[in-house]
Amino acid sequence: QSALTQPASVSGSPGQSITISCTGTSSDIGSHDLVSWYRQHPGKVPKLIIFENTKRPSGVSFRFSASKSGNTASLTISGLQTEDEADYFCCSYAGSSTFVFGGGTKLTVL
Amino acid sequence: DVQLVQSGPELKKPGESLRISCEASGYSFSSYWITWVRQMPGRGLEWMGKIDPSDSYTNYSPSFRGHVTLSADRSTSTTYLHLSNLKASDTAIYYCARVELPENYFAPWGQGTLVTVSS
Repeated sequence: QSALTQPASVSGSPGQSITISCTGTSSDIGSHDLVSWYRQHPGKVPKLIIFENTKRPSGVSFRFSASKSGNTASLTISGLQTEDEADYFCCSYAGSSTFVFGGGTKLTVL
Repeated sequence: DVQLVQSGPELKKPGESLRISCEASGYSFSSYWITWVRQMPGRGLEWMGKIDPSDSYTNYSPSFRGHVTLSADRSTSTTYLHLSNLKASDTAIYYCARVELPENYFAPWGQGTLVTVSS
């Protein structure tokens, strides 16, 4: 059960859009439509921003969208704001009641 | 409100054991799995395992199996993370979170418990 692969860092300017990829295998992302994404500001608790590949919980900005194709999931943040600067983690159900996280991506808003 | 409240920070010596608690409130405790996640200093999130409080059935990540034990006490709506034979590399923040089914996402999260292992 290896960690999902995310880029270590991405950056963008305010107002721009960025996309963070999350690559797994046919045993996790590829087998289940159960990818979730979490945002974590420094020193804070992770917060759910996407579940079931593409769904936004109530209260999460429409600027966050996500998709999945094959073994790769993606998170897109549009209209970047300084408050979006944080770490982002993907997570997938991996079967047999187990889960696996991605290594995390640090988003810098320039 | 659904809430998970974890026990306070711990300072332990190598070789010692540890138990962290996660008390749930605001929902039916037995109806939701609780999962535990480790975050080492400056590092990412690692899934450790999960427990079903209704029957205490557990699943563990291969990376943590044998080193971690999860338990639940339905009388106090509390789940526990037990760590044995602590090493400096166990220094981390440990989070509990409720697992929403069947969507399989984690929310809400506990506030985290900082564990420091040092001689």
